[in-house]
Amino acid sequence: ETGVTQSPTHLIKTRGQQVTLRCSSQSGHNTVSWYQQALGQGPQFIFQYYREEENGRGNFPPRFSGLQFPNYSSELNVNALELDDSALYLCASSSWTGTDTQYFGPGTRLTVL
Amino acid sequence: AQSVAQPEDQVNVAEGNPLTVKCTYSVSGNPYLFWYVQYPNRGLQFLLKYITGDNLVKGSYGFEAEFNKSQTSFHLKKPSALVSDSALYFCAVRDLNNDYKLSFGAGTTVTVRA
Repeated sequence: ETGVTQSPTHLIKTRGQQVTLRCSSQSGHNTVSWYQQALGQGPQFIFQYYREEENGRGNFPPRFSGLQFPNYSSELNVNALELDDSALYLCASSSWTGTDTQYFGPGTRLTVL
Repeated sequence: AQSVAQPEDQVNVAEGNPLTVKCTYSVSGNPYLFWYVQYPNRGLQFLLKYITGDNLVKGSYGFEAEFNKSQTSFHLKKPSALVSDSALYFCAVRDLNNDYKLSFGAGTTVTVRA
């Protein structure tokens, strides 16, 4: 069984640029959730994708967007990067059963200069 | 709205002593509670969860947690701590009536000294 993988591991961008982060879900999982973890804080929910559609969204602006593909992998896109976007971005996969556990990938560390 | 509070930023214990990490929660519906652990520069690793049933839940690496509905708490415990348990621990809650997101506490840093 393959766990959740994310790429890239680290990324450095400058303010105003755009970034795409990628996530491959764990085998057998059809739901992907994205979280932002700023330094010294707990993860904050960005959004969730199920059946290639956004299924719920946290308190993040529209410049945070995502996609889910037929193989259940997912992308997080952030436009017009701001310094405060610097964080660890975590992807979690789960099954759509209502009580299933979310399993997290290792994260992508984004630094915005 | 749902939320989690972890009242202690840091917990320090000696190896071999009991370890407790505190968590209280707030949800409007039925709670679905989790503990995760995070090592430096790593993602979150699942330890255990409570959905329903027995209030004492056993998880990975000898950890357990006790659900207390009247006190809205879900404290993480380990009878005998190891140096390798030193890490950042997060409690999270999901409202079963609001299925899509986990709400995390701010985390508790556990240091186990040899």
